[in-house]
Amino acid sequence: QKEVEQNSGPLSVPEGAIASLNCTYSDRGSQSFFWYRQYSGKSPELIMFIYSNGDKEDGRFTAQLNKASQYVSLLIRDSQPSDSATYLCAGYSGGGADGLTFGKGTHLIIQP
Amino acid sequence: IAGITQAPTSQILAAGRRMTLRCTQDMRHNAMYWYRQDLGLGLRLIHYSNTAGTTGKGEVPDGYSVSRANTDDFPLTLASAVPSQTSVYFCASRPGTSSQAFFGQGTRLTVV
Repeated sequence: QKEVEQNSGPLSVPEGAIASLNCTYSDRGSQSFFWYRQYSGKSPELIMFIYSNGDKEDGRFTAQLNKASQYVSLLIRDSQPSDSATYLCAGYSGGGADGLTFGKGTHLIIQP
Repeated sequence: IAGITQAPTSQILAAGRRMTLRCTQDMRHNAMYWYRQDLGLGLRLIHYSNTAGTTGKGEVPDGYSVSRANTDDFPLTLASAVPSQTSVYFCASRPGTSSQAFFGQGTRLTVV
């Protein structure tokens, strides 16, 4: 059984600070990982993906992957109130048969 | 505008009735998926299709059926709706050469 685990939160972060979201996964065969942001009542939208060990930066977002520890994280720098949302971590093992395996999401609140 | 379109956006359905949720994409993606999202349970895969003419069962397929007659359309049918099928349903698609998934806007279904 492939599992992706996230702390459901809520995670409360002051505006301007760094928000750190974490995710662990059980399937060592997982090849790639995705972070989706989902606003209340809306569909998930992709914000970052990462395939290789290390860090990947895109604007205020940095994704980190450590395959040895089976750990993925998302850092949001200079947090804004508009970053308040649920963040979903997803893993993909290849082959296409099972699509993406999603965590249950972390609810992030940025306090003005 | 290219993307995935779901219909209807919301529906109240009497238990025992048959219902088809529609999903159409114009991105020529090979793989398509149906997820349901429930509070505290995250996104769970119902059925998937890797290419036109093929379908497969996901994590929670009971009570649902799908078909994939062509690349663009992937309808989800509830043969005889039950209250436990009250949920938000998301259709997603994925290009054959990439593993990120794109989501439709969702269908909020209430079975009473």
